Amino acid sequence: GAGVSQSPSNKVTEKGKDVELRCDPISGHTALYWYRQSLGQGLEFLIYFQGNSAPDKSGLPSDRFSAERTGGSVSTLTIQRTQQEDSAVYLCASSSTTGAGSPLHFGNGTRLTVT
Amino acid sequence: AQSVAQPEDQVNVAEGNPLTVKCTYSVSGNPYLFWYVQYPNRGLQFLLKYITGDNLVKGSYGFEAEFNKSQTSFHLKKPSALVSDSALYFCAVRDRRNNNDMRFGAGTRLTVKP
Repeated sequence: GAGVSQSPSNKVTEKGKDVELRCDPISGHTALYWYRQSLGQGLEFLIYFQGNSAPDKSGLPSDRFSAERTGGSVSTLTIQRTQQEDSAVYLCASSSTTGAGSPLHFGNGTRLTVT
Repeated sequence: AQSVAQPEDQVNVAEGNPLTVKCTYSVSGNPYLFWYVQYPNRGLQFLLKYITGDNLVKGSYGFEAEFNKSQTSFHLKKPSALVSDSALYFCAVRDRRNNNDMRFGAGTRLTVKP
């Protein structure tokens, strides 16, 4: 079946512009995560959605970052007034249940370059 | 909060030799532990997990990992490495009491040479 789909795969933007990154999770998966992977670094947790519950936004690095998940499915991560330090690969993941033993299924990521 | 350490940035092994990628964790309660692999320009793929039961867990592509509670470790192993195993490997931990928070290590780049 289809996996987690992210678009675009690559995005180059000028400093100060806004960008939107899209994630389409596996159908039926109730949990959705956004992570950021900078060059040579591990994964940095950004935000977590679970069903209709309020999202866990504790990982968002600044108020320029926001995310929404419409209808419990597709999610959009928005970065306003991009800065060069925002350049990274943004990974989306989904999982099927709320159980902590459920593995995450990752998309291929969006590589964001801010010039 | 939980954390993961992968002490080696890079591991090099010869094809056919056994490989070990190290991981230690810190969590206040009992952990769920995971290994993921990332091939170039791809997302992370799930390899295996420890939930409960046997300390030796077997996963995809012939990989296995051993949970050692006293040493708070979860090292990834394979008896005979393949060139195609060359990739970036991530260890991750979740506190059983907090479903939201999965913490990843910084990753270890495995290179298997022919």
